[in-house]
Amino acid sequence: DQQVKQNSPSLSVQEGRISILNCDYTNSMFDYFLWYKKYPAEGPTFLISISSIKDKNEDGRFTVFLNKSAKHLSLHIVPSQPGDSAVYFCAASEWSGGGADGLTFGKGTHLIIQP
Amino acid sequence: KAGVTQTPRYLIKTRGQQVTLSCSPISGHRSVSWYQQTPGQGLQFLFEYFSETQRNKGNFPGRFSGRQFSNSRSEMNVSTLELGDSALYLCASSFGTANYGYTFGSGTRLTVV
Repeated sequence: DQQVKQNSPSLSVQEGRISILNCDYTNSMFDYFLWYKKYPAEGPTFLISISSIKDKNEDGRFTVFLNKSAKHLSLHIVPSQPGDSAVYFCAASEWSGGGADGLTFGKGTHLIIQP
Repeated sequence: KAGVTQTPRYLIKTRGQQVTLSCSPISGHRSVSWYQQTPGQGLQFLFEYFSETQRNKGNFPGRFSGRQFSNSRSEMNVSTLELGDSALYLCASSFGTANYGYTFGSGTRLTVV
């Protein structure tokens, strides 16, 4: 059973426009969410995170929105640039005992920025 | 500063053999986590070590094991390799827990034939 789902395997967006990547989760115990970006032949790179006590977090061109009632989060990239072409992973964690468990990742969305 | 270093980058092993993968975290990072990435399952959590202790473990068979040394370097071992163990194995380090945001290495590509 997949607890973190990224339903769009790929997304194509024009350069300069907004890219919106979506992620749904089923585990109500998740209380921290992260987005990672991955280029081929490299490990994922941490982009931005959000705690469940917030509904929005911004960092430059990247904004993550969290809708707890819908168990949905999204990553907005504005404006989209060619270097943003990569695979984006949504990840979630829950605190248990004395520390966090490992992250549960979605399967990723391949974002392609068209010139 | 140096990133997370994983060795070797590529490895080919025969079914039934065992393999050891190595990970050197970023200096000062005490937490090292391992993930398996396959096309079908995506990134799956194997285990996490913090100060030489396994703190968390994912849902993998006992053939997968690991350890962490006093200098925070970590090794992962897979015994009795199966074809399905072919994957990219990623190591990630963080200052504290996963919520701080991992820094991943480039991974070790293991192929079992």
